[in-house]
Amino acid sequence: AQKVTQAQTEISVVEKEDVTLDCVYETRDTTYYLFWYKQPPSGELVFLIRRNSFDEQNEISGRYSWNFQKSTSSFNFTITASQVVDSAVYFCALISGTYKYIFGTGTRLKVLA
Amino acid sequence: EAGVAQSPRYKIIEKRQSVAFWCNPISGHATLYWYQQILGQGPKLLIQFQNNGVVDDSQLPKDRFSAERLKGVDSTLKIQPAKLEDSAVYLCASSSGSGTGDYEQYFGPGTRLTVT
Repeated sequence: AQKVTQAQTEISVVEKEDVTLDCVYETRDTTYYLFWYKQPPSGELVFLIRRNSFDEQNEISGRYSWNFQKSTSSFNFTITASQVVDSAVYFCALISGTYKYIFGTGTRLKVLA
Repeated sequence: EAGVAQSPRYKIIEKRQSVAFWCNPISGHATLYWYQQILGQGPKLLIQFQNNGVVDDSQLPKDRFSAERLKGVDSTLKIQPAKLEDSAVYLCASSSGSGTGDYEQYFGPGTRLTVT
């Protein structure tokens, strides 16, 4: 069975702090894709990153970085020097052999000024 | 490039009434998704189309919900009759679905449905 777990329901940090959002996934397929999406207060989900199962390289994009570890089935997301505009709900998602999209329950991040 | 369009943005209806939502995906995107998102929860997939065929509708309450994607482009989602628990945001998303790993989804602004 496929599953995505985001154990952190809500995180609050003070601006400029670093924060890591956890994502643990389950799948029996060897080929799969992992994603992170951001849902700001305006409501529209925005795609952030895609990773396939054959590429474990970590990725950095500005203040955002992603750590993909197959050994622990995790795909964690770190925001460095957080800003108030980072406040949103962040969803991790998985798609594998059946091409069914599975979303996690989301982590609400609050960045306080 | 135009994004995913949805209409209406808001709808208020009474229980037992009918309602329809429309979605126009990004041009050329083969895969279209409808999600239901209840306040405070993650998106729940209702139905997934690949071109005009249904890939997954296992979570679609088929006694009251229906969806179609004629000609493999835009799509409509209908609820008939609506129940109070259908109050949610209905999201439409599309992806290229090219089979080369382009599975990231692009979402529309959603339709907020309130059933009274």
